[in-house]
Amino acid sequence: GQNIDQPTEMTATEGAIVQINCTYQTSGFNGLFWYQQHAGEAPTFLSYNVLDGLEEKGRFSSFLSRSKGYSYLLLKELQMKDSASYLCAVKDADSWGKLQFGAGTQVVVTP
Amino acid sequence: DTAVSQTPKYLVTQMGNDKSIKCEQNLGHDTMYWYKQDSKKFLKIMFSYNNKELIINETVPNRFSPKSPDKAHLNLHINSLELGDSAVYFCASSQDPGTGYGYTFGSGTRLTVV
Repeated sequence: GQNIDQPTEMTATEGAIVQINCTYQTSGFNGLFWYQQHAGEAPTFLSYNVLDGLEEKGRFSSFLSRSKGYSYLLLKELQMKDSASYLCAVKDADSWGKLQFGAGTQVVVTP
Repeated sequence: DTAVSQTPKYLVTQMGNDKSIKCEQNLGHDTMYWYKQDSKKFLKIMFSYNNKELIINETVPNRFSPKSPDKAHLNLHINSLELGDSAVYFCASSQDPGTGYGYTFGSGTRLTVV
């Protein structure tokens, strides 16, 4: 099974940087995903890491350390529209496509 | 063009009723999923189908019965609805579950059982 932990809520000001940490314990691992979910909407795919290191995609970057069971999502130059829940999800090596999600981190961006 | 579409978006019904939620994807994906998001915002997998075949069934009560008439459709039928079934149900699809392609989610169905 999987145990995925991430902070419940983070607050930051517009233009700042926020780092959302995710730790996981897993019996098998085949990749880690980050999703963004605005209130009342569907989650949308942000990033995927399967090897150690940093993946950069515009203002968003995601990092993975498999030996530490740790990932973070870095949001730079925060904008008001970045206020949303950010979900960390781990793909189990044994299960066909199944993603185990964390409870999500609510990011609140203030002016 | 909506990639993954679910209907209805909202569903309010009484305990004991039977209801269905429909899902269709036009992405050509082979694998489709049903996830449940409860009030604490946890997304938990319920079922997965690959090319109309059931491949994941996560200890869901047998009141829930998925049906996949073809690989573009995955419907969810729920019998004898209970208060605890109130949640948002998301349909999703993926191109190749063995790779890094993420899911594409539908917009969700908010089910309220009263």
